Amino acid sequence: AQSVTQPDIHITVSEGASLELRCNYSYGATPYLFWYVQSPGQGLQLLLKYFSGDTLVQGIKGFEAEFKRSQSSFNLRKPSVHWSDAAEYFCAVGAHGQFYFGTGTSLTVIP
Amino acid sequence: DSGVTQTPKHLITATGQRVTLRCSPRSGDLSVYWYQQSLDQGLQFLIQYYNGEERAKGNILERFSAQQFPDLHSELNLSSLELGDSALYFCASTGSLRDYGYTFGSGTRLTVV
Repeated sequence: AQSVTQPDIHITVSEGASLELRCNYSYGATPYLFWYVQSPGQGLQLLLKYFSGDTLVQGIKGFEAEFKRSQSSFNLRKPSVHWSDAAEYFCAVGAHGQFYFGTGTSLTVIP
Repeated sequence: DSGVTQTPKHLITATGQRVTLRCSPRSGDLSVYWYQQSLDQGLQFLIQYYNGEERAKGNILERFSAQQFPDLHSELNLSSLELGDSALYFCASTGSLRDYGYTFGSGTRLTVV
């Protein structure tokens, strides 16, 4: 069965510091991979997606993610975090027309 | 504005009652998905419709039902409500998984008292 693991429930970083959010998936083939961000009281916004090709994917708001097949990972990165990046981040796997979401990582940004 | 419209934004109702949540997908999207987000369960897939037909079912309770109408809007019906049904209910739409990914609405926050 497909599954998505986000091992970090909560991360705190200083503004201006770099960020990496981890995501591991379990799937028999290369799935479609996504990162979403959810601000408090809001819906989920798509940050970036990977279907095939270049394993380094650029997204909105300065985020990028790298697909590593050997590690079954799709980690999200940002070189310099802004206070407005504080939110909940969800990794998702798309397979057979369905999405499987991780449990999310809550990001706190301190001044 | 994501293009996916959900109404109402907030709903407070008593246990045992029935409510209907509405979702209008993004223009041109044929597929509608419903998700429940609660603190203890995270994001749970409930059900998917494609062009009026049910395509996939997730962890949807028998007290819950949904449908998609010819104009492609969808309704999620929740009946015999329990305190544990309090959650954010999201609708998402997609025309093609490959081209768009999901587009989410801003959700309906249901509080059962």
